[in-house]
Order: sequence, then structure tokens, then C-alpha cells
Amino acid sequence: EPEVTQTPSHQVTQMGQEVILRCVPISNHLYFYWYRQILGQKVEFLVSFYNNEISEKSEIFDDQFSVERPDGSNFTLKIRSTKLEDSAMYFCASSVVSSGQNSPLHFGNGTRLTVT
Amino acid sequence: GQQVMQIPQYQHVQEGEDFTTYCNSSTTLSNIQWYKQRPGGHPVFLIQLVKSGEVKKQKRLTFQFGEAKKNSSLHITATQTTDVGTYFCAGRTGGGNKLTFGTGTQLKVEL
Repeated sequence: EPEVTQTPSHQVTQMGQEVILRCVPISNHLYFYWYRQILGQKVEFLVSFYNNEISEKSEIFDDQFSVERPDGSNFTLKIRSTKLEDSAMYFCASSVVSSGQNSPLHFGNGTRLTVT
Repeated sequence: GQQVMQIPQYQHVQEGEDFTTYCNSSTTLSNIQWYKQRPGGHPVFLIQLVKSGEVKKQKRLTFQFGEAKKNSSLHITATQTTDVGTYFCAGRTGGGNKLTFGTGTQLKVEL
């Protein structure tokens, strides 16, 4: 069964550094998402992306965050200047159509980001 | 903004006992999805409910969507150790792409 893949599985960075988290969504999916989960807490929406542009973003997704689909397969999340509170598990997800059209999200295994 | 709460936050049961988690949204939902996250894993889609009052079953799991489309429940009959994990409801309002996850219920099953 096709999977969403994320790299790296674990990223450790110093406060103030830039990080890029990478994702390869399922090939025929059209909608892409980033969620984050602070340890033991709920899964929080960051951003959705369709047709090479952001379709919706949350209050968490401020100017420090950006997303890009640099080629036909990768989908990246960049955090420009990391803060301690950015430490979390970051999940990439994709869906065939919008979640608004009743399509389930397929999640990757996540990247655990630790900011020291 | 939209808030989706689940109760209980934690539930410990003996294997064979039943389990129910309740999901409540502050706003009316277009649809509700349920996900399961195993310890150390990622959310995995279980089911989607769209119609008011809808009930769906998957083997020992029964999912219900409230008449007002603001609440939902997941009931597991005769739990097994394989049911261990955190169960999240997730709902959408309006026409956007944002799927808001509930606070989750962590289920532990003891032999």
C-alpha cells in the first residue's frame, strides 16, 4: 500500500537555527498537510497546500514557517528560526481530495524535532 | 475558533470490558472522522461519518454521529490488547481543508 514518507525521523537543532522537514506524499494525492503534536497532546493543524499554494493555515503557522513543493514529489516544511517551543512531532499528511470533500488523511511516520 | 473536546482523557480497562470515548465540537460539523494512534505511531484513519444520526460498525467498533452533528462517539465492545492506543475524532466545519482533531482518549487494556 502506498505510504507517505518523511525524513529525517529525528532532527536535533539549536535554538535560532533553520530546519527543513521533508515529506513525499502519496503519488496520486492532490492535497498536502502539516500537523504537529507536542508530546502526549493533540494533533494540531498547521497548514494545507493545494495546487502549489497554501489553501489554509492556522494561527501557529506564523512568518517563521513556510512550505514548498520544490519538485513533483517532495513537500517541505521550513522553520526559519527555531524556538524551544517548536519541539514536537511533525506529521505530514496527504489526501486524494480535500478533507472537505470527505477524503481521509494519510499520515507519514513523523519527524521528531528537538530544539535545544 | 473551533474546539473539539474528547472525554475521557484516559481510560484503563481490563481485557474484555467495553470502552467508549465521546467527542464534542463547539460548532456544527460537516463530517467527522476517527483516527487511531498507536504508542509511538502516527494517526491512522478508521472511519468517516457524514449524515446526522449516522451509525457505522467495524467489527467490535461502533461509531455514531449525533443528530445535531456536534458530537460523536466510538464504542469498542470486548476490548483486546490490540485496541491499545489513542483515539482521536477529527471534524471539519465550513468549506475549508482544515481538519481539527479532538483532544484524544488514550486507551490502555490490561490482561
